[in-house]
Amino acid sequence: SQKIEQNSEALNIQEGKTATLTCNYTNYSPAYLQWYRQDPGRGPVFLLLIRENEKEKRKERLKVTFDTTLKQSLFHITASQPADSATYLCALRYSSASKIIFGSGTRLSIRP
Amino acid sequence: DTAVSQTPKYLVTQMGNDKSIKCEQNLGHDTMYWYKQDSKKFLKIMFSYNNKELIINETVPNRFSPKSPDKAHLNLHINSLELGDSAVYFCASSREARGNEQFFGPGTRLTVL
Repeated sequence: SQKIEQNSEALNIQEGKTATLTCNYTNYSPAYLQWYRQDPGRGPVFLLLIRENEKEKRKERLKVTFDTTLKQSLFHITASQPADSATYLCALRYSSASKIIFGSGTRLSIRP
Repeated sequence: DTAVSQTPKYLVTQMGNDKSIKCEQNLGHDTMYWYKQDSKKFLKIMFSYNNKELIINETVPNRFSPKSPDKAHLNLHINSLELGDSAVYFCASSREARGNEQFFGPGTRLTVL
């Protein structure tokens, strides 16, 4: 069965640095890969989506890459701020007709 | 002006009881979902409805029964609650069944004693 691994349970970095989170999957590549942010006691919030035929997507300080050869997506936050501290979830969808499968998340902490 | 709302936010109950969680969205979306997030933070889909019709039904005990009276509401009823049902339950919606961006509610933390 398909597995998604966010290989860091927690990541601590200094404010101003670039945070890089990793999402790896097994088997075949999804049609869509998404990233969500979840704050404690709240529901996930959609951030970015990247399609199978796209290499990179950007939104303000966020950047997502999708490498179907490595079966990996990288999520970058540049010029990180303490307010970026949260859990970030990777999610895959294999077709527009299938369900979304979520990873367990990486808890990111940005220290001042 | 909350987009996806759930009630209650916290639910503490005894084993064997029956309880319901309600969800409403005011986004005009066609599709709604129930997810369960366990203590290890895995978010797993349970059910999905599109225009009041069940389209996703994962391997969930039949003690769990979703009901969609209209496309803005999706409720979850749980019979004979067990300790393992303790988790946070999230409702979500998307514009359509093929929609990728999902909007989540604040969650309902269910604790079964």
